[in-house]
Amino acid sequence: DTAVSQTPKYLVTQMGNDKSIKCEQNLGHDTMYWYKQDSKKFLKIMFSYNNKELIINETVPNRFSPKSPDKAHLNLHINSLELGDSAVYFCASSQDLRDPYGYTFGSGTRLTVV
Amino acid sequence: QKEVEQNSGPLSVPEGAIASLNCTYSDRGSQSFFWYRQYSGKSPELIMSIYSNGDKEDGRFTAQLNKASQYVSLLIRDSQPSDSATYLCAVNDRDDKIIFGKGTRLHILP
Repeated sequence: DTAVSQTPKYLVTQMGNDKSIKCEQNLGHDTMYWYKQDSKKFLKIMFSYNNKELIINETVPNRFSPKSPDKAHLNLHINSLELGDSAVYFCASSQDLRDPYGYTFGSGTRLTVV
Repeated sequence: QKEVEQNSGPLSVPEGAIASLNCTYSDRGSQSFFWYRQYSGKSPELIMSIYSNGDKEDGRFTAQLNKASQYVSLLIRDSQPSDSATYLCAVNDRDDKIIFGKGTRLHILP
């Protein structure tokens, strides 16, 4: 059983389109995250949710909107996609916000905007 | 701006030798420190965590933390070709965010 699963694994789309990425964790964790990894492999936090509540919202364009229907799911919707949005997006989860044991990552969604 | 700094590499180490990876961080309030390994095209995988000054050993891996110097390192003994990957240093800052460094590419030479 995959602990943190993301879909789709690959997403190729045109500029201006709207797309969503889904994430589910079966670890019973309270906290979930979205990270963006750019072409230089820099992993940067975008959002975190704790028990469906938005906790961290980094400086991310408001074209990006996370939604957490329950604590096991965190989806990411992106409006009006731009070339610069091309990256790998990782979902992650942890027991709680102060989990000293680190994160469990999903396998990533490679988004390519053409 | 809180930062986690790593040398991007590549760091080339002969098979069987010790690989030494270093990381510095800017937030003195940081309490938890992690090393993740990321193979090309894969997701980061936690390999070590450390919370107090000193050394922590787990198999061939040793994490070292010096909070006074704001320095954390990872030693890999008896390096294997399968250790070739990018190693990400991560620090849990006082706002409970995990900040990642840009990673060090490690290449083990057979």
